[in-house]
Amino acid sequence: QQQVKQSPQSLIVQKGGIPIINCAYENTAFDYFPWYQQFPGKGPALLIAIRPDVSEKKEGRFTISFNKSAKQFSLHIMDSQPGDSATYFCAASINSGYNFNKFYFGSGTKLNVKP
Amino acid sequence: NAGVTQTPKFRVLKTGQSMTLLCAQDMNHEYMYWYRQDPGMGLRLIHYSVGEGTTAKGEVPDGYNVSRLKKQNFLLGLESAAPSQTSVYFCACRRPSVYEQYFGPGTRLTVT
Repeated sequence: QQQVKQSPQSLIVQKGGIPIINCAYENTAFDYFPWYQQFPGKGPALLIAIRPDVSEKKEGRFTISFNKSAKQFSLHIMDSQPGDSATYFCAASINSGYNFNKFYFGSGTKLNVKP
Repeated sequence: NAGVTQTPKFRVLKTGQSMTLLCAQDMNHEYMYWYRQDPGMGLRLIHYSVGEGTTAKGEVPDGYNVSRLKKQNFLLGLESAAPSQTSVYFCACRRPSVYEQYFGPGTRLTVT
């Protein structure tokens, strides 16, 4: 059973559009929600992250919206560029004891931004 | 400062063969993780380590073993490879006080 459900699987937008990727979770013990960006042949890299006591976080053109009551969070990319074409993963972290956190990842969204 | 490196980058194994994947980090991070990435599945945790000499099982540990003899190295072993272990394997590390994980470039493994 997947702990974090991500949609859509793929997304195509025109340059300048605002792609939105959604994630949902069930476990209310999750305490940190990062988004990772992955280019082909590379490892994931942290893009932006949020904690559940905050409803929105912006970093440059990337925004996370967080709805604690609905147990959902989403990534918005403002003024998207062809260079944003990548696979995006949401994740959720839970403390597993000894101050160690496990991370559960969504299934990924492949974004294609057309010029 | 290489960050996180993984060796090898690619490998093809026959069913039943064994191999070891090496992850090395020069960031002096305590925690290290091994994940596998499969299409439509995201990343799933295989094993992890909270420090030198310690390892623990993640979500999908069957068929894998790990060792962390030195703080900077985390080894993932496949004793008898199966086609179901065809995947891309990523190693990651992080500091205890910081949630951000740093990933290596991955190892693409094919088992025929």
